[in-house]
Amino acid sequence: KQEVTQIPAALSVPEGENLVLNCSFTDSAIYNLQWFRQDPGKGLTSLLLIQSSQREQTSGRLNASLDKSSGRSTLYIAASQPGDSATYLCAVSRGTGNQFYFGTGTSLTVIP
Amino acid sequence: GAVVSQHPSWVICKSGTSVKIECRSLDFQATTMFWYRQFPKQSLMLMATSNEGSKATYEQGVEKDKFLINHASLTLSTLTVTSAHPEDSSFYICSARSLGQGVEAFFGQGTRLTVV
Repeated sequence: KQEVTQIPAALSVPEGENLVLNCSFTDSAIYNLQWFRQDPGKGLTSLLLIQSSQREQTSGRLNASLDKSSGRSTLYIAASQPGDSATYLCAVSRGTGNQFYFGTGTSLTVIP
Repeated sequence: GAVVSQHPSWVICKSGTSVKIECRSLDFQATTMFWYRQFPKQSLMLMATSNEGSKATYEQGVEKDKFLINHASLTLSTLTVTSAHPEDSSFYICSARSLGQGVEAFFGQGTRLTVV
């Protein structure tokens, strides 16, 4: 069974810092990997989707990379802002009709 | 991106009653919908997968008679928590996927269920 782990579990940084969130998965036979943001008590907001054939995706200050062979993905956030404070989840899927396996999340706090 | 609407966003019910949660895909046809549950400070865990017009597939440990899932149309799936107990209090969230929308999955806003 696929297991997804995220490190660190919590992170607190001053505003303006660049930071990296890590995600690892045990089964490299994935179809795609998706990073989400979850605000307290809210649903999920999709940030970036990386298909298995891709190495990275970028959107604004966010950059996600994927190394399928080693079972790792990183989410890079540049010039962090207090509004970035949230829990970040990574999830992997085996196919378009398949479920997502979610990581445990990284709780990010950006201090003004 | 596509929109998935989940209703209600929160509900409080008495122990022993049933609660229905709706998940609608607003601008695409969802051939497959997934229901997840999230307990406090834990990640999302899949409860069941439903395909339009067929019975849902439940994950191990999830009682199918307690969590009734209906996916009668390509735009609507419902989750009914029957005879709810306080331990069912959780955050329930649905996800919809369609080949027509590419590989991305779209999630509802979630429903916070509190059973008192």
